[in-house]
Amino acid sequence: DAGVIQSPRHEVTEMGQEVTLRCKPISGHDYLFWYRQTMMRGLELLIYFNNNVPIDDSGMPEDRFSAKMPNASFSTLKIQPSEPRDSAVYFCASSLRLAGFTDTQYFGPGTRLTVL
Amino acid sequence: DAKTTQPTSMDCAEGRAANLPCNHSTISGNEYVYWYRQIHSQGPQYIIHGLKNNETNEMASLIITEDRKSSTLILPHATLRDTAVYYCIVRVQVYGGSQGNLIFGKGTKLSVKP
Repeated sequence: DAGVIQSPRHEVTEMGQEVTLRCKPISGHDYLFWYRQTMMRGLELLIYFNNNVPIDDSGMPEDRFSAKMPNASFSTLKIQPSEPRDSAVYFCASSLRLAGFTDTQYFGPGTRLTVL
Repeated sequence: DAKTTQPTSMDCAEGRAANLPCNHSTISGNEYVYWYRQIHSQGPQYIIHGLKNNETNEMASLIITEDRKSSTLILPHATLRDTAVYYCIVRVQVYGGSQGNLIFGKGTKLSVKP
């Protein structure tokens, strides 16, 4: 099993540029989550999808952030325009609902974003 | 805000059992206790979860007190590779279309020493 795949693993960009982070969940999983981790705020949930539909985006910091899931095997998190305070590690996770209950989340390796 | 309280850091000798405590005094009847860990520069990794009975898997054991206000994660024979931040999370396990979110606190930084 390949696990959750994220790309790129590292991204360095300049303020004002558009950044797109990508995630491939574990095959068959029906939930997908985007988290952000910083030293100051720890791990925060940004948004999650169920069957490709966004369920809760209350953690998305502002309109500069957007996330899509066009199909069951792919999701993107886009920041436009990027700012230095967006520098963080962004994690994608997926899970499978079993017997009507949600199961544990499996995290990808993360994308380390640096905005100069 | 996280609904759990954990020590900031702990040390453990290699080969010994690591016992990581967690307080969750406001836990509700339908909330489970989950443990995840995060090894440096990696994504969080699921360890174990339970409701009220003690649980054991290939990674660890989870001991939950009878009043469910606290729990202990036990790594029976800690190795250097178990050095990580360990998160105790209280979470509703839901039926249906909504997902109980994982709310990560600060966790306990466990250092396993030779």
